[in-house]
Amino acid sequence: GESVGLHLPTLSVQEGDNSIINCAYSNSASDYFIWYKQESGKGPQFIIDIRSNMDKRQGQRVTVLLNKTVKHLSLQIAATQPGDSAVYFCAEMDTGRRALTFGSGTRLQVQP
Amino acid sequence: GAGVSQSPRYKVTKRGQDVTLRCDPISSHATLYWYQQALGQGPEFLTYFNYEAQPDKSGLPSDRFSAERPEGSISTLTIQRTEQRDSAMYRCASSSEGLAEEQFFGPGTRLTVL
Repeated sequence: GESVGLHLPTLSVQEGDNSIINCAYSNSASDYFIWYKQESGKGPQFIIDIRSNMDKRQGQRVTVLLNKTVKHLSLQIAATQPGDSAVYFCAEMDTGRRALTFGSGTRLQVQP
Repeated sequence: GAGVSQSPRYKVTKRGQDVTLRCDPISSHATLYWYQQALGQGPEFLTYFNYEAQPDKSGLPSDRFSAERPEGSISTLTIQRTEQRDSAMYRCASSSEGLAEEQFFGPGTRLTVL
């Protein structure tokens, strides 16, 4: 299958630890943000989203934080599991245009 | 269908040939997107359809690239006179009607131009 993210920044964590993946976005007109998980050989899979009128949103084991002042987005994964190992992309959207712009991705490696 | 499907999964062609890639979106989804993903990078937007209308094709790299969705369901992406730089994963995604609904991605078509 395809190998995603051959030369991406890598975050290596121990199973059970919390993970934080960061992303800087560029378009101040973006008003919708999404985190995607991409496993090798598969398409991006939605994890969590946040709109620009919020600064924090929580899901199951995941939290997204948005700092519009510095155009920064982060994804926190609690109690990281081996199944969380993948490449994570942030994406931004100007909802007036609908096109997603993806960041460069971070590879998360979870050590058992 | 249960998810977004794409065909073929792999396509190898010679430079100068035309290729057509197909996307079957989730059946209830009004909006369909095409992205190009190079190895090691995130997907890059090419174009999208809202039913059969194509409001934005600004991401298409050149006039060799075109997309259709004539009946508002299945879509095709055609690359004419392929070049080696067109080699990439081409991904389709669909979403239900709405401004910023979750996009569901298909498995992609890996295009290799020799």
